[in-house]
Amino acid sequence: EAQVTQNPRYLITVTGKKLTVTCSQNMNHEYMSWYRQDPGLGLRQIYYSMNVEVTDKGDVPEGYKVSRKEKRNFPLILESPSPNQTSLYFCASSLTGTLYGYTFGSGTRLTVV
Amino acid sequence: RKEVEQDPGPFNVPEGATVAFNCTYSNSASQSFFWYRQDCRKEPKLLMSVYSSGNEDGRFTAQLNRASQYISLLIRDSKLSDSATYLCVAYPLYGKLTFGQGTILTVHP
Repeated sequence: EAQVTQNPRYLITVTGKKLTVTCSQNMNHEYMSWYRQDPGLGLRQIYYSMNVEVTDKGDVPEGYKVSRKEKRNFPLILESPSPNQTSLYFCASSLTGTLYGYTFGSGTRLTVV
Repeated sequence: RKEVEQDPGPFNVPEGATVAFNCTYSNSASQSFFWYRQDCRKEPKLLMSVYSSGNEDGRFTAQLNRASQYISLLIRDSKLSDSATYLCVAYPLYGKLTFGQGTILTVHP
């Protein structure tokens, strides 16, 4: 089944403890992206990648890191999480980015205390 | 000004009604446009792409007006299952999707 898989689905962590949210797609998509969704602010792009080793900042990149060492994987790293990073996170992928929409993962609900 | 702005809603309509959502975008370089549907606390799912000539998919019709920089979604014969948040998306640059805040639709019996 074609899909984008995120893990974990739920995570509660403490301030400052490094964490990684994994994202993997099995559709051989070139484009991958991370979003966070907050009430009243909608979906905001954190980082995106157009191919292996090619990444760029979205609208809210502060406090996050990403890497794209393989085409299928695009992990999101929070080196020192803070409570304002408590949010619902989505990973998404797309074949080309322009003509086709993005397929989203099921989301990761992160709480930083 | 937000890059993509949507009708705030919420829209509450009876089954069978026709409802329309509008969305404006500020970046005239935007190349592609989409409508997504998001159910509560779940991932957004692509509803349809929006083409310059307008396009239809069953009860759903999407329109794009480049001159006025807005896109629209029309839902005919609303069903209870259409209740969701509808997100419009503009694609100004490769990889950089911009979402509107979403419009909440509730269809009641």
